[in-house]
Amino acid sequence: DVKVTQSSRYLVKRTGEKVFLECVQDMDHENMFWYRQDPGLGLRLIYFSYDVKMKEKGDIPEGYSVSREKKERFSLILESASTNQTSMYLCASSLDVGAGGAHNEQFFGPGTRLTVL
Amino acid sequence: AQKVTQAQTEISVVEKEDVTLDCVYETRDTTYYLFWYKQPPSGELVFLIRRNSFDEQNEISGRYSWNFQKSTSSFNFTITASQVVDSAVYFCALSEAWSNDYKLSFGAGTTVTVRA
Repeated sequence: DVKVTQSSRYLVKRTGEKVFLECVQDMDHENMFWYRQDPGLGLRLIYFSYDVKMKEKGDIPEGYSVSREKKERFSLILESASTNQTSMYLCASSLDVGAGGAHNEQFFGPGTRLTVL
Repeated sequence: AQKVTQAQTEISVVEKEDVTLDCVYETRDTTYYLFWYKQPPSGELVFLIRRNSFDEQNEISGRYSWNFQKSTSSFNFTITASQVVDSAVYFCALSEAWSNDYKLSFGAGTTVTVRA
């Protein structure tokens, strides 16, 4: 079974703090993703990475950065947390594009519910 | 513009009723992939199905079935004889092949509550 783990289920931080959210997958997947989930908006992509040290902006990258130093680990960084970053953060991973260019399913971690006070 | 629309925000049914979740998508690509995910109260999204744009066959997996219609850009999901364990948020998602960046565009989700 694919396992995607996230460092914390719940996190409470103060405005202006630097926040690190860690994600680790154990299935040697090339692609990794960070989403935030908000009521009525579904999941929105923040950043993704298709290889070590590679990163691409998603739909809402402002206020976030990422790091991928090892294939299995993808970190999301909030340089200076703000209250509008209170959300559920979900990490996912997937195999690279398969035969015929098939986009493979993403496997998700349990999520980190971040509250910024 | 929203690429995936799930018009139903919440659906509540009594156990053993059937429930159909609507999903309408928008893309200019001829090659694309559609997905359904389930998010139970535990929070972890669980993959249910992937369908590519060239395969319009409907699919059945146990009590779950999916109806893909390119003519109406819809990929609807039906749970037959619902059970309490089906209570979850269900997301429809689209991946467009032209972008080649493996991104998933999610709908807003439909919360299904099955009452005993």
